[in-house]
Amino acid sequence: DAKTTQPTSMDCAEGRAANLPCNHSTISGNEYVYWYRQIHSQGPQYIIHGLKNNETNEMASLIITEDRKSSTLILPHATLRDTAVYYCIVRVVGNYQLIWGAGTKLIIKP
Amino acid sequence: GAGVSQSPSNKVTEKGKDVELRCDPISGHTALYWYRQSLGQGLEFLIYFQGNSAPDKSGLPSDRFSAERTGGSVSTLTIQRTQQEDSAVYLCASSLTVGGRPYEQYFGPGTRLTVT
Repeated sequence: DAKTTQPTSMDCAEGRAANLPCNHSTISGNEYVYWYRQIHSQGPQYIIHGLKNNETNEMASLIITEDRKSSTLILPHATLRDTAVYYCIVRVVGNYQLIWGAGTKLIIKP
Repeated sequence: GAGVSQSPSNKVTEKGKDVELRCDPISGHTALYWYRQSLGQGLEFLIYFQGNSAPDKSGLPSDRFSAERTGGSVSTLTIQRTQQEDSAVYLCASSLTVGGRPYEQYFGPGTRLTVT
């Protein structure tokens, strides 16, 4: 599976949109982009995934560039409870192993 | 519905003792995973169970680590002769399998193991 690169940490003001970038320049055609987050002292939580089209669910939106080399997770109206480490992972659907990097520590400030 | 549960939530043990960590997956999830997470690090894959197939044990760090899954549901991770470097949070996850392909993983809260 391709490797991802994320910033180590980011801040965002409460109520604003939080935009978390991820680079996956070596992604191949059958690899999906997955996002999980881990709130302090909890297990990781699935957020969203996509292949090439933009995706939206009740938690977030995922914007994937046309060349698929990068993506952005958007939390439209960040709250203090969104403070967490966010992991961007690329993998082939059906390949069960998720290769976890260090993620981005997102801090939402009041 | 009920999520993945793990027990105990915290375990402190002396070096050299054996420990057992338990995972109850979401009902109906045929795939089960164990991960280890050291402080400030991402998750490290340990083992994967899928239905009645032989488990993928490729991530187990040594022969002191073993896991079993009884009746396709509950799983136990056993660490024998614990060492201080085994101190970490041990996370269990489960997922549905559709057409033989596992999907999104749902995680338990983890067991924090401290070896003194």
